[in-house]
Amino acid sequence: QTVVTQEPSFSVSPGGTATLTCGLNSGSVSPTKYPSWYQQTPGQPPRTLIYSTNRRSSGVPDRFSGSILGNKAALTITGAQADDECDYYCVLHMGSGIWVFGGGTKLTVL
Amino acid sequence: EVQLVESGGGLVQPGGSLKLSCAASGFTFSGSAMHWVRQASGKGLEWVGRISSISNNYATSYAASVKGRFAISRDDSENTAYLQMNGLTTEDTAVYYCARGPPGGIFYMDVWGKGATVTVSS
Repeated sequence: QTVVTQEPSFSVSPGGTATLTCGLNSGSVSPTKYPSWYQQTPGQPPRTLIYSTNRRSSGVPDRFSGSILGNKAALTITGAQADDECDYYCVLHMGSGIWVFGGGTKLTVL
Repeated sequence: EVQLVESGGGLVQPGGSLKLSCAASGFTFSGSAMHWVRQASGKGLEWVGRISSISNNYATSYAASVKGRFAISRDDSENTAYLQMNGLTTEDTAVYYCARGPPGGIFYMDVWGKGATVTVSS
């Protein structure tokens, strides 16, 4: 069974840099899995941040960037702000029309 | 304005059925894939399934947890996607979001609805 792994929680200082990762329980994440990232605040639908590894969705500030780091996809948030504190999810396209979300990372800015 | 609006949520007994709708506006619906994603209270996002556009023969795919019980369809003339849910269990209680898969073979979800709540309980 495919499991997409994310840090359950991550803390960053205001103004600091947070790098959240998205891996696989078996194998590596590569651009062929089209990693995308979503931000979700409580009670709201997800907001698309990054798609196809490193392409920013419309209106997303350039403080948010995506990459492949080693065998994982990564979301880097620079200059962390208080309103960045929320949940972040990655999703991978596993082929055959199947997508799998990671468990999400709860980002704390303090 | 690009918009997706889900409807049809509600309370259903275990073993029952429910059909959600996702009405699209502000874009060429027929050219886009449509996904369903759910989220149980306090839990993470779970991809449920997807229907492709006519250019990919309306192909459907599903998560293992719902395969054989849920079915996604669409009516391009009505700009609406559907999620038919049968054999519901308490584990299916969640907010169900529809999301657009943009045209052009880019695999992600770029527009999201606000969600419809499904509660499975006796």
